[in-house]
Amino acid sequence: DAKTTQPPSMDCAEGRAANLPCNHSTISGNEYVYWYRQIHSQGPQYIIHGLKNNETNEMASLIITEDRKSSTLILPHATLRDTAVYYCITEAGSGNTGKLIFGQGTTLQVKP
Amino acid sequence: GAVVSQHPSRVICKSGTSVKIECRSLDFQATTMFWYRQFPKQSLMLMATSNEGSKATYEQGVEKDKFLINHASLTLSTLTVTSAHPEDSSFYICSAQRANTEAFFGQGTRLTVV
Repeated sequence: DAKTTQPPSMDCAEGRAANLPCNHSTISGNEYVYWYRQIHSQGPQYIIHGLKNNETNEMASLIITEDRKSSTLILPHATLRDTAVYYCITEAGSGNTGKLIFGQGTTLQVKP
Repeated sequence: GAVVSQHPSRVICKSGTSVKIECRSLDFQATTMFWYRQFPKQSLMLMATSNEGSKATYEQGVEKDKFLINHASLTLSTLTVTSAHPEDSSFYICSAQRANTEAFFGQGTRLTVV
């Protein structure tokens, strides 16, 4: 299982873009990169995932480097409600099993 | 998106008693569900994989006789904490994956053993 490395905390001004980095240098060719977030005392919420190409949805954009050793989650216009712990996860096992191994994540604090 | 529901959301029990937590996939069938626990200010730790119709697979260090998992149908998995003690107090979270999509998480169950 690939391990991920994220900064423990980040601050972002409300209305600005939040760019959350993640290193996954040992990722294997068939492993996806998933991003989830957890607001205090709730279950994790899915944000986005990708394999090789950059992805965008209504919540965020995911930029994956060409060598797939790192990625960046972009929240284009952060709001106070985006304050949460953000987890970058590479899927354990093969074939998109849903078995996710969580690291320590990045605590994002969005400030007014 | 798909919905996974846990019940109860909070439970307080006496030391030595057992507590059952339910995890349901409300709008899809899940042959596999996962159980996690989370201590304060820590990340989620995978406890076990719940397989419909077969025995659960436990992660290293998780006592299978203490944390009983039953996955009797394609929409329901249960976690029973047997003979609970204060050190079992934690936030328990389940997840389920619809075929070829991302995993969805329940809202979690806060267990307090007194």
